[in-house]
Amino acid sequence: GAGVSQSPRYKVAKRGQDVALRCDPISGHVSLFWYQQALGQGPEFLTYFQNEAQLDKSGLPSDRFFAERPEGSVSTLKIQRTQQEDSAVYLCASSSTPEDRRTNFYEQYFGPGTRLTVT
Amino acid sequence: EDKVVQSPLSLVVHEGDTVTLNCSYEVTNFRSLLWYKQEKKAPTFLFMLTSSGIEKKSGRLSSILDKKELSSILNITATQTGDSAIYLCASKTSYDKVIFGPGTSLSVIP
Repeated sequence: GAGVSQSPRYKVAKRGQDVALRCDPISGHVSLFWYQQALGQGPEFLTYFQNEAQLDKSGLPSDRFFAERPEGSVSTLKIQRTQQEDSAVYLCASSSTPEDRRTNFYEQYFGPGTRLTVT
Repeated sequence: EDKVVQSPLSLVVHEGDTVTLNCSYEVTNFRSLLWYKQEKKAPTFLFMLTSSGIEKKSGRLSSILDKKELSSILNITATQTGDSAIYLCASKTSYDKVIFGPGTSLSVIP
């Protein structure tokens, strides 16, 4: 079956531009996560959705970052007025069908990431 | 503030060596400890550990959780060049939030 997909895979933006990154999670997965990964570092948590509800956005680095998942499936991470320090790989992950939750099974699946370069 | 720490941050070994990677965590509402392998792409899931003292194994990889010490280790025996990757440790909270450590970069040389 299809895994987590993200688009675009690569994005070059000029400083000050707005960008939108898309994540298509595995069908039926309740939980969706966004991470920012700088070169040589582990993924940094940005935000988390359970269905359409954004339960935690404590990792969003500034109010220029905004994420949504309006229908509980596809999610978009938007970065306004991009800065050079926003350059990173943005990873999306999904997990947990309702059945997984019932049986306490857990595995988090990552998408391939979007590499954002701000020039 | 929730945090996950890993050591060493990088490691170079020869093929056939055994390695032990360390992870410690300070997380509120801790539920599980996760290990991932990341090559030049997205992380791939290795293990989830929930109970203390129970070893999980997959081939040459094994891992164990110590909830008293808030730590976990990942062992790789008889290392191969294909084991070269970044190994990420992460903690999962009761509501699915996952906090990653910085990773251990493992290089296995022939």
